[in-house]
Amino acid sequence: GAVVSQHPSRVICKSGTSVKIECRSLDFQATTMFWYRQFPKQSLMLMATSNEGSKATYEQGVEKDKFLINHASLTLSTLTVTSAHPEDSSFYICSATGTSGLQETQYFGPGTRLLVL
Amino acid sequence: DQQVKQNSPSLSVQEGRISILNCDYTNSMFDYFLWYKKYPAEGPTFLISISSIKDKNEDGRFTVFLNKSAKHLSLHIVPSQPGDSAVYFCAAELARFGAGTRLTVKP
Repeated sequence: GAVVSQHPSRVICKSGTSVKIECRSLDFQATTMFWYRQFPKQSLMLMATSNEGSKATYEQGVEKDKFLINHASLTLSTLTVTSAHPEDSSFYICSATGTSGLQETQYFGPGTRLLVL
Repeated sequence: DQQVKQNSPSLSVQEGRISILNCDYTNSMFDYFLWYKKYPAEGPTFLISISSIKDKNEDGRFTVFLNKSAKHLSLHIVPSQPGDSAVYFCAAELARFGAGTRLTVKP
């Protein structure tokens, strides 16, 4: 089946620094990737939809200048958390749209746990 | 504005019995729904989907039912196995997720 990777799997950084998270579709091309955030014991919160070659579409309440998304190729999207603060600590998950049988589905990366000190 | 709701945060079932997980949605324009299974600190895994032209889709032990008039869908797992213990999310249109239901299957 389709595989999506994320790097790094875990990152600890100091407050005020920026952190880049990579999301790659390993064996398929993904024109659309999604970025989610999950707080402990809560649902996946969609942050933005990333389309290859165009600007990301952000969900209401998500600061586009804070969470920079770049989808430069059909297999790579990056999320940069700029000037990270402790409240940005969370589990970030990306997904890429592919097909399962005849229908579209999402394939998720393993997630990146960010801890901002 | 939560468009997809899973009102039961948890469910406990005995091994071998049926697990029924429920999901409600508010937007009648949604026409494609998915169920995912998620373990802690991992990304969700796709389980099964259904489009609005159907009212049932079955894949092995997993069956999803869709009631469009009630804007309700459910996932049935039968027989339930301890390895099914996880958090189950329903989603609409690929990206709109419910809050999840934690299923515990007891041996």
